[in-house]
Amino acid sequence: DADVTQTPRNRITKTGKRIMLECSQTKGHDRMYWYRQDPGLGLRLIYYSFDVKDINKGEISDGYSVSRQAQAKFSLSLESAIPNQTALYFCATSGDRRDGYTFGSGTRLTVV
Amino acid sequence: AQRVTQPEKLLSVFKGAPVELKCNYSYSGSPELFWYVQYSRQRLQLLLRHISRESIKGFTADLNKGETSFHLKKPFAQEEDSAMYYCAPPFSGGYNKLIFGAGTRLAVHP
Repeated sequence: DADVTQTPRNRITKTGKRIMLECSQTKGHDRMYWYRQDPGLGLRLIYYSFDVKDINKGEISDGYSVSRQAQAKFSLSLESAIPNQTALYFCATSGDRRDGYTFGSGTRLTVV
Repeated sequence: AQRVTQPEKLLSVFKGAPVELKCNYSYSGSPELFWYVQYSRQRLQLLLRHISRESIKGFTADLNKGETSFHLKKPFAQEEDSAMYYCAPPFSGGYNKLIFGAGTRLAVHP
C-alpha cells in the first residue's frame, strides 16, 4: 500500500466550483506539503504544515486553502476554481533528513 | 528570494554516453541540496543528497560553492535513466521547505 495517498487521481471541474484534494499518509511524519507542477515551471509550494497547529503559506497560496485534520491528513481546497489552476498537484511528507520527501502519486486537476 | 536554475529542459543522449544535468542555485548560507527523479508514471522520489556524498544508481552530485552549482553526473547513461530530474535546494537554510527547479528531462536512446 502507498504510504502517501492522494485522492482523487484525476478530476475535471467547472470554473467557480469548490473542490477539495485530499492527502493521507501512513509515514507518521509531522511535516506535510502541497505542491503544484506545471510544465516548464517545476514544482511550486502552495502550503505546508509542520504539525496539526502549524500551517504556513508557500510561494503561491492565493486561491487555495488547506486543512490539517490530523497528523495523517492534509487537504487542499480551491474555493472557486479557475482555469489557470489546471495542474498536477502533489502532496509530500517529510520526517528524518535522511529520508528526504515522500510524494504521493499526484492529482491531475482540470478546470474548464 | 532563493532561486534554482536547471538550464536544460531536455537532455538527449545515447546509451553509454556520459550525462551531466546542470543545477545552479542562489543561496547565501550553507545549503543542503537534493536531487529528485520522476520516472514515467511514477511519483517523485529522492535520488540523492549532497550531504551524504553518496552514489545512487551510478549518479553523483558535487556541490561547488564557488560556482553555486550542484550538477548531477553519470559516466555511462542507461536507458532506464530516462526520467525527469529535479534539483532542490532549500528555501532558507533548512531541509523543511524545498524549492524545486523546473526540471530536466533526460532521454537515453539505445
